[in-house]
Amino acid sequence: AQTVTQSQPEMSVQEAETVTLSCTYDTSESDYYLFWYKQPPSRQMILVIRQEAYKQQNATENRFSVNFQKAAKSFSLKISDSQLGDAAMYFCAYRESSGGSNYKLTFGKGTLLTVNP
Amino acid sequence: ETGVTQSPTHLIKTRGQQVTLRCSSQSGHNTVSWYQQALGQGPQFIFQYYREEENGRGNFPPRFSGLQFPNYSSELNVNALELDDSALYLCASSAPGRGLDEQFFGPGTRLTVL
Repeated sequence: AQTVTQSQPEMSVQEAETVTLSCTYDTSESDYYLFWYKQPPSRQMILVIRQEAYKQQNATENRFSVNFQKAAKSFSLKISDSQLGDAAMYFCAYRESSGGSNYKLTFGKGTLLTVNP
Repeated sequence: ETGVTQSPTHLIKTRGQQVTLRCSSQSGHNTVSWYQQALGQGPQFIFQYYREEENGRGNFPPRFSGLQFPNYSSELNVNALELDDSALYLCASSAPGRGLDEQFFGPGTRLTVL
């Protein structure tokens, strides 16, 4: 079974600085998707960024970027120019590439990010 | 475009009771997935519904059941509630057959079992 591990229960960063959240996963599949979701205190899970395993290029969305190391099964999230609104719980998630029941997401336990003014 | 909505927001039940949680999927989405998020944990996949049929299930007992209606809204039913069922229940909708495989989450229902 696939597993997702986030080894940092909590992280903090100064406003305008850069922070990196770590994620490792275990799978025997060669094609899959990886995601970072943000869950603010409002509880609504919001997709931050996604990476398709067959793509070599690391995904980027504005201030958010990933470092995807397929061989090492590592998928870290870098947040640049951190803003107060970035404070939230961040979850790393895995999904197999095919459809049907494989649309289930497997989540890590999350990293609570605090942004200090 | 209306996002994913869930009702109720909060719910308190006692052990042994039954509960029904509701989810309205985002417009145009035909697939709904349910997740249980215990306090301090990541969401755990319960099951998924596609075109009114269960289409994948996680490691949850049969007392967790669901329905999907022709308008693609969905219900999660939990019988014989246990204290460990206290959690945030999230639903997510998507439209994989239409190239929209991103899952959009609702705000969740917080269930407390006493």
